[in-house]
Amino acid sequence: GQSLEQPSEVTAVEGAIVQINCTYQTSGFYGLSWYQQHDGGAPTFLSYNALDGLEETGRFSSFLSRSDSYGYLLLQELQMKDSASYFCAVRDHSSEALDMGRRALTFGSGTRLQVQP
Amino acid sequence: GAGVSQSPSNKVTEKGKDVELRCDPISGHTALYWYRQSLGQGLEFLIYFQGNSAPDKSGLPSDRFSAERTGGSVSTLTIQRTQQEDSAVYLCASSLGQMVYEQYFGPGTRLTVT
Repeated sequence: GQSLEQPSEVTAVEGAIVQINCTYQTSGFYGLSWYQQHDGGAPTFLSYNALDGLEETGRFSSFLSRSDSYGYLLLQELQMKDSASYFCAVRDHSSEALDMGRRALTFGSGTRLQVQP
Repeated sequence: GAGVSQSPSNKVTEKGKDVELRCDPISGHTALYWYRQSLGQGLEFLIYFQGNSAPDKSGLPSDRFSAERTGGSVSTLTIQRTQQEDSAVYLCASSLGQMVYEQYFGPGTRLTVT
């Protein structure tokens, strides 16, 4: 099976930089995704890392280290609207999972980011 | 273009009643997923459809839960004999084929079982 760990809450101030970490355990790894969810809203896709390194998309960047089973989401120039929950997610690509027909994502429990003025 | 739509947006039902939740995915998306999210919690995977393949039902919590997808498009999640612990937001998502990592979510159905 798979498991993901991420901090439950992070607080930062406007204009700052914040890093949300995610460690995972999976018997077969296919990539790490990040999603954002505002209170009362639906999750929205932010980024995906299949290979080691940093992927940058505007103020948001995502990093992956496959050897460390670790990734993070980096948010720069924080804005109040960035206050939301952030989820990391993995797809189990082990042969066992595929034999079972399991191809869906497993999500972490989410990190609630509170941006303060 | 149109995103994923779900109906109803809210559903209040009495314990023991059956409910049906509907999901209309993005046109052209062959993969469809159902998740459940309790207040302040993460997403719990329920079921996954991909094209004409047998669905991945490994996340369904009990045999009271079932889902079908007709014509490779619209999906219905059915919960029979609802229990109070079924109260949650039920989210549907779709994706292009095997792009499982990039899913597009609907607004969800908030189910309250009294």
